[in-house]
Amino acid sequence: AQSVSQHNHHVILSEAASLELGCNYSYGGTVNLFWYVQYPGQHLQLLLKYFSGDPLVKGIKGFEAEFIKSKFSFNLRKPSVQWSDTAEYFCAVNGRGGNKLVFGAGTILRVKS
Amino acid sequence: GAVVSQHPSWVICKSGTSVKIECRSLDFQATTMFWYRQFPKQSLMLMATSNEGSKATYEQGVEKDKFLINHASLTLSTLTVTSAHPEDSSFYICSARDMVQGAGGYTFGSGTRLTVV
Repeated sequence: AQSVSQHNHHVILSEAASLELGCNYSYGGTVNLFWYVQYPGQHLQLLLKYFSGDPLVKGIKGFEAEFIKSKFSFNLRKPSVQWSDTAEYFCAVNGRGGNKLVFGAGTILRVKS
Repeated sequence: GAVVSQHPSWVICKSGTSVKIECRSLDFQATTMFWYRQFPKQSLMLMATSNEGSKATYEQGVEKDKFLINHASLTLSTLTVTSAHPEDSSFYICSARDMVQGAGGYTFGSGTRLTVV
């Protein structure tokens, strides 16, 4: 069965600090990988996704993620966070051709201004 | 872009009553919708996959008689929590898949906070 592990549940950073949120998945086949963000009081929004090709994926708002197949990882990065990046971030995976998204437990990011 | 409307955003009900939550895709047709439950400080747990015109597929451990799902049209799926109890209190989120967008076409509703008293 698919599973997704996010390493940190809470992260606190100062503005302009660099961010890296870890995500590892377990799945026996080819996967599609996603990062979603949930701002306070809002619905989940797609930050970026990886299906195939260049393993370094760029998303919205300056975020990027790198798929490392050998490590089953898809870590999210941002060089310089802003106060407005305060939100909860979810990594998700679905098997290629499958329907169901499996989510990690989420990481709450708080950026101090 | 694709929008999914979920209603109500919060509801309080008495133990033993039933509550219906609606999920609508506003500008696309969704042959497949998904219902998730999110516990505090935990991930979204998939409850069931709702397919238009057919029975929902429930995940292991989810009581299909308690969580009734109806997907009668390409734009509407409903989740009814029957005979609700305090342990059913949770945050419920729906998602609709726009097949035109391909593998990445998941759009989420804003969720429903259910409190059973």
